[in-house]
Amino acid sequence: SSELTQDPAVSVALGQTVRITCQGDSLKNFYPTWYQQKPGQAPVLLIFPQNNRASGVPDRFSASGSGEVGFLTITGAQAEDEADYFCNSRDSTEYPVLFGGGTRLTVL
Amino acid sequence: QVQFVQSGAEVRQPGASVKVSCKASGFTFTKHVIHWVRQAPGHRPEWMGWIRPDTGDTLFAQKVQGRVTLTTDTSATTAYMEMMSLTSEDTAVYYCARDVNTIASATSFVWSNWFDAWGQGTLVTVSS
Repeated sequence: SSELTQDPAVSVALGQTVRITCQGDSLKNFYPTWYQQKPGQAPVLLIFPQNNRASGVPDRFSASGSGEVGFLTITGAQAEDEADYFCNSRDSTEYPVLFGGGTRLTVL
Repeated sequence: QVQFVQSGAEVRQPGASVKVSCKASGFTFTKHVIHWVRQAPGHRPEWMGWIRPDTGDTLFAQKVQGRVTLTTDTSATTAYMEMMSLTSEDTAVYYCARDVNTIASATSFVWSNWFDAWGQGTLVTVSS
């Protein structure tokens, strides 16, 4: 079955730029969508294809990618950006929607 | 503002069933597909399926097909997810979420994996 793979953890210094990766075969046909989730809260939509920020999302968040890899970039990371980040995409009839394993971002 | 309020936490024994409600407000309920996503502790979210409130049409992930029923009460702007034959592997937080896309008509609609509003989640614990 298809799967979306993400690095389990990434860290970034306050104010610096970080890129979070999402990889999977489904991304050859569908752009990834990105969500932020803080402990004990529901996920929040950040960016949907193609590089559209959801309402209220700061412009330091952007998305890009090519082929089977998608990226979420945070330019000038803030302390409040410390969270889990999940990608998802459409896929086959058997698994219409996939989620990545999530990346825990630590802001140092 | 767009909002979902879900029912409270549930504890069930293996083999039992559970029904979770999701009350919507702040938008036209029949104009958006409602998705259900669950997340086991420390795990990635798992998409379960969706329902079109205007027609009752549904689509399920193969993993839960036959065990999950999705319904809506349009007069109450509420969506429901019922799962049968629970096992410990069903222990998770269950979320309802709104599809970004607006349903254009009964015969013309596009659904997506872009969920722009979520309920607060309902913890379902399956334990003997």
